[in-house]
Amino acid sequence: DAGVIQSPRHEVTEMGQEVTLRCKPISGHDYLFWYRQTMMRGLELLIYFNNNVPIDDSGMPEDRFSAKMPNASFSTLKIQPSEPRDSAVYFCASSLSKEPQETQYFGPGTRLLVL
Amino acid sequence: QKEVEQNSGPLSVPEGAIASLNCTYSDRVSQSFFWYRQYSGKSPELIMSIYSNGDKEDGRFTAQLNKASQYVSLLIRDSQPSDSATYLCAVPSYNTDKLIFGTGTRLQVFP
Repeated sequence: DAGVIQSPRHEVTEMGQEVTLRCKPISGHDYLFWYRQTMMRGLELLIYFNNNVPIDDSGMPEDRFSAKMPNASFSTLKIQPSEPRDSAVYFCASSLSKEPQETQYFGPGTRLLVL
Repeated sequence: QKEVEQNSGPLSVPEGAIASLNCTYSDRVSQSFFWYRQYSGKSPELIMSIYSNGDKEDGRFTAQLNKASQYVSLLIRDSQPSDSATYLCAVPSYNTDKLIFGTGTRLQVFP
């Protein structure tokens, strides 16, 4: 299995631009999680899906952030408009339905820099 | 009080020594606890899970849980330079499918 796939791996953009991050979970995994990691705040859960349905988006910082999961093999996290404080590493993770907290498999992350 | 707290470090130990990493949590009903390792520039990976009080051993790693004190630790015996990484403690959020991560402890093992 290829593991969780994320793209792009690096993104540099200017303030005000739209940013779209992409994730392909491990096949057969029912849960998908989006995290953001910064030095100051550590690893924060933004939103998670179960069977393509958003379950908890309480970690999404503000309306500029949105996430979708149109099918079991694809999810996007969009920031519009982006701001310098959004600069972070964004991880996608997936896990099995019977034990969603047990082993979350993380993708390689997207390093976002907003200038 | 943060839900999961860890000393950010760095914790520096010589090669061959025992490294002790600690984590406290606030939710008394938590039943399971996880340790993730994250190498610099890489993504977190699960290395240990523990569910009951006491010790759980896996190779050079031992997880210790004390629910009464709301304390979980990770011991690494015979530390190697390849163990140098950030270790994240994670605790499930009550009645949800979420994991709450600590900010991690950076471990440095020097030759």
